Amino acid sequence: GDSVTQMEGPVTLSEEACLTINCTYTATGYPSLFWYVQYPGEGLQLLLKATKADDKGSNKGFEATYRKETTSFHLEKGSVQVSDSAVYFCALITNAGNNRKLIWGLGTSLAVNP
Amino acid sequence: DGGITQSPKYLFRKEGQNVTLSCEQNLNHDAMYWYRQDPGQGLRLIYYSQIVNDFQKGDIAEGYSVSREKKESFPLTVTSAQKNPTAFYLCASSIQTGAYEQYFGPGTRLTVT
Repeated sequence: GDSVTQMEGPVTLSEEACLTINCTYTATGYPSLFWYVQYPGEGLQLLLKATKADDKGSNKGFEATYRKETTSFHLEKGSVQVSDSAVYFCALITNAGNNRKLIWGLGTSLAVNP
Repeated sequence: DGGITQSPKYLFRKEGQNVTLSCEQNLNHDAMYWYRQDPGQGLRLIYYSQIVNDFQKGDIAEGYSVSREKKESFPLTVTSAQKNPTAFYLCASSIQTGAYEQYFGPGTRLTVT
């Protein structure tokens, strides 16, 4: 079945460091891919998305490119801030069949120290 | 402001009692969802609804029930049959089911002792 695998956390970085959170997927059909972010004590919010191969989603300095050949959607940011400390979730949904549910990764916790 | 509200933020119950979690949205979305979040397990789908008066079981529906009598409201009841009800519960909505952004409420943390 469809699945999403994220790198395990926690990830701890110093402010202004580069960030990469790996996300790979297994899916039938042609999935849409998402990154959601959850700040402490809050619900999730969409960070960025890509709906077809080679699309790049970007928001708030974060980027992720939909790589069909490597089935990956890694999240990157060139210079993290303390305010980026949160849990990041990779997710997918396929357009195939009647199963229209989001498939979630387990989340990666990021802590950014001043 | 449009959004999703969940109340209360913290809820405490004794074992054996049913409890209902509230979820209201004013985004005019057709689809609504309930997720359970446990440490290290990501989000697991409990129930979802594509339209008023319709709902479908998710991956972990046992011990839970829902209703969707109004477009704006999708309450979740945690019954005494749920073996491990203590968790963080998140409600979400989207324009439709499918590859659309899901908007989340702030969550309700339920503790059952």
